[in-house]
Amino acid sequence: TQLLEQSPQFLSIQEGENLTVYCNSSSVFSSLQWYRQEPGEGPVLLVTVVTGGEVKKLKRLTFQFGDARKDSSLHITAAQPGDTGLYLCAGARSNSGYALNFGKGTSLLVTP
Amino acid sequence: KAGVTQTPRYLIKTRGQQVTLSCSPISGHRSVSWYQQTPGQGLQFLFEYFSETQRNKGNFPGRFSGRQFSNSRSEMNVSTLELGDSALYLCASKEVGQGFTEAFFGQGTRLTVV
Repeated sequence: TQLLEQSPQFLSIQEGENLTVYCNSSSVFSSLQWYRQEPGEGPVLLVTVVTGGEVKKLKRLTFQFGDARKDSSLHITAAQPGDTGLYLCAGARSNSGYALNFGKGTSLLVTP
Repeated sequence: KAGVTQTPRYLIKTRGQQVTLSCSPISGHRSVSWYQQTPGQGLQFLFEYFSETQRNKGNFPGRFSGRQFSNSRSEMNVSTLELGDSALYLCASKEVGQGFTEAFFGQGTRLTVV
């Protein structure tokens, strides 16, 4: 059973467009992380959110944690080809020893 | 600080064989977790080791095992390999605190079972 559902699964856009990726669950998480992964490499941590309603910005990327700490979104403004990759959300819960539960990811392709 | 190092990067094994993968965590990180990544299932948690003890385990068969050494380095072993074990195996290290701490991943070991 997948605890975290990500949508969309695939996204192909042109350079300069905006996009939003969603990460939803029926479970409450202590924290939620977003990673970006390139083919054949390990995931690279982008951000961690821990407080319900929290918003964090990383250059053109905006991350939001839902008020109930069950969902999160990642918004990219003016996407660039360098943003291409697999975006993964991962939640941690205290009752499972903070092991990361991953969504299946959103594969983003940004074309020039 | 050096990142998480996994060796080897690539492995090809035959069905029925066993394999050992290695992970060296970031200096000062005492927790090491292992994950399996496949196109169909995504990233799935295998187990976590801290202070040479397994303290958390995912839902994988007993063919998957691991251990941690006193220097926090960890190894993962898969016995009696099956074709379905072909995957990217990822190791993540983190500091240990009272609650959640961030995990940092290595580049992974790509295992192909033929």
